[in-house]
Amino acid sequence: SYELTQPPSVSVSPGQTASITCSGDKLGDKYVCWYQQKPGQSPVLVIYQDSKRPSGIPERFSGSNSGNTATLTISGTQAMDEADYYCQAWDSSTVLFGGGTKLTVL
Amino acid sequence: EVQVLESGGGLVQPGGSLRLSCAASGFTFSSYAMSWVRQAPGKGLEWVSAISGSGGSTYYADSVKGRFTISRDNSKKTLYLQMNSLRADDTAVYYCAKGCGDDCQNYFDYWGQGALVTVSS
Repeated sequence: SYELTQPPSVSVSPGQTASITCSGDKLGDKYVCWYQQKPGQSPVLVIYQDSKRPSGIPERFSGSNSGNTATLTISGTQAMDEADYYCQAWDSSTVLFGGGTKLTVL
Repeated sequence: EVQVLESGGGLVQPGGSLRLSCAASGFTFSSYAMSWVRQAPGKGLEWVSAISGSGGSTYYADSVKGRFTISRDNSKKTLYLQMNSLRADDTAVYYCAKGCGDDCQNYFDYWGQGALVTVSS
């Protein structure tokens, strides 16, 4: 079965750039989206269709998808960006989530 | 304003049944697929089931196939999840999520606040 793989954790200093990857076989052939989830809250869509930002999402969030890897990039990371991030794709009539990446801003 | 609001969670014994509901507002409900996504305590997101806008197409994760049934009543703008033969590993917060089109699950742009289902004796 198809799987999406994310690193369990990523650390970044405030103001620096954070990159979170999501890998899967020929993932570049599928649309990928990203969700942010803070403790005790519901997930929030931050990137859809690989690189589009929903209204209200800051410009520092960007995405790309090519080959076997999709990447969520947060430029000028702020303390408020500390959260769990999940990638998601649709394949063979199944919604797939990555295991999630805990982003720590320190 | 788009809103989706889950209800029906609670404590149920193993082998029991429960029905979740999700009331939607602020968008043309019948034009959008809807999904249920769950999150076990301290774990990641797990997709459970999806249904197209018309209700004509349904999809299930292998872990719930044959036990859970997704349905919708477009006249009431409400999504349902009937859960039977519940097991301890079904314990989770269950989220209702709005899809990206009539039969589109590429992304979910609105999520409810979640309903906690606890399966325990």
